[in-house]
Amino acid sequence: SQTIHQWPATLVQPVGSPLSLECTVEGTSNPNLYWYRQAAGRGLQLLFYSVGIGQISSEVPQNLSASRPQDRQFILSSKKLLLSDSGFYLCAWGRGDPPNEQYFGPGTRLTVT
Amino acid sequence: GNSVTQMEGPVTLSEEAFLTINCTYTATGYPSLFWYVQYPGEGLQLLLKATKADDKGSNKGFEATYRKETTSFHLEKGSVQVSDSAVYFCALASGNQFYFGTGTSLTVIP
Repeated sequence: SQTIHQWPATLVQPVGSPLSLECTVEGTSNPNLYWYRQAAGRGLQLLFYSVGIGQISSEVPQNLSASRPQDRQFILSSKKLLLSDSGFYLCAWGRGDPPNEQYFGPGTRLTVT
Repeated sequence: GNSVTQMEGPVTLSEEAFLTINCTYTATGYPSLFWYVQYPGEGLQLLLKATKADDKGSNKGFEATYRKETTSFHLEKGSVQVSDSAVYFCALASGNQFYFGTGTSLTVIP
């Protein structure tokens, strides 16, 4: 069966510090991978998605970036965090075009202080 | 473009009450439609889905019917339980992307 992991689960970082969130998927190959952000009390905002290694599409221009160094690994990064980067970050994977469904990881709660 | 609009919350119901959460969509082509549920502090879980017009998705007593003529996918449950308290998201899939509504918070009180 397929599983998706995210870490860390919780993170507190000062403004201006770097960020690296990791997501890995097990039990499937060549998945579509997605990063979402969920601000407090709000819906999901798609940040990045990837259909293959090294292929990243950005939905919202901002100080975040994403990379996919391996087929089942998706990394969200920032060189300098802003207060507005606080939120709940969710990684998801899916297959197909259009995708039959998406499966979400447990999320990372990021607080920028 | 593609978008999903769902009713604003929060919604508070007594146990065993009937639930409806409205969802309408705008899409090019023929998207698949989904309802996801998010419990506090967790990621989203797929609740049900429908891939073509007139399909009915169902799971755990929840149902939603894909209505192409009204571009709707309303979520219903005949008798809610306290354990159904969560945030519910309507979504559509088109191309490689999913488009989510803003979520509707449901609280069920005993």
